[in-house]
Amino acid sequence: DAGVTQSPTHLIKTRGQQVTLRCSPKSGHDTVSWYQQALGQGPQFIFQYYEEEERQRGNFPDRFSGHQFPNYSSELNVNALLLGDSALYLCASRAGADTQYFGPGTRLTVL
Amino acid sequence: KQEVTQIPAALSVPEGENLVLNCSFTDSAIYNLQWFRQDPGKGLTSLLLIQSSQREQTSGRLNASLDKSSGRSTLYIAASQPGDSATYLCAVRGNFNKFYFGSGTKLNVKP
Repeated sequence: DAGVTQSPTHLIKTRGQQVTLRCSPKSGHDTVSWYQQALGQGPQFIFQYYEEEERQRGNFPDRFSGHQFPNYSSELNVNALLLGDSALYLCASRAGADTQYFGPGTRLTVL
Repeated sequence: KQEVTQIPAALSVPEGENLVLNCSFTDSAIYNLQWFRQDPGKGLTSLLLIQSSQREQTSGRLNASLDKSSGRSTLYIAASQPGDSATYLCAVRGNFNKFYFGSGTKLNVKP
């Protein structure tokens, strides 16, 4: 079992650009959540997908959007990038009420 | 809105000491609480998950307790080792499947 995987590992973008991050959940998991972790802070919940729909959303603007595919993999899209979007983006998957498993993250740098 | 606080923010101890990390949350209506370990620049590794109906969980040298009514959890690490050096994060799963993290405790165990 490969666990939760994310791509790419690192990404550098400039202000105003758009970015897409990808996540493959752990085998057997159907729920995927995305988090933003700024340096020195705890992860902040962005949104959660289940059955290809956004089920819950944290306090993030509409520039942050996502998608879940039939195979449960997910994408996070961020439009009109700001310097403040620079962070580690973490994906987590789970099945039901079980433990969340996190991927290694994608480090996004916005210049 | 759920607020999760972790004290202390940083801790440095000599090898072999027993130590306690604290986590508090403002809304006691939680489904579970999870402790994670995060190494620098890496994703999160789940250590212990405590369901709201449970009082504690143990795994090896780690013991986590939960007092839901008072909004507190502690992570006890016995006989600390340099390999335990990392940031420890607690997270609560609240209503509507939203997850809230603390900012973490950065632990340094000196040889």
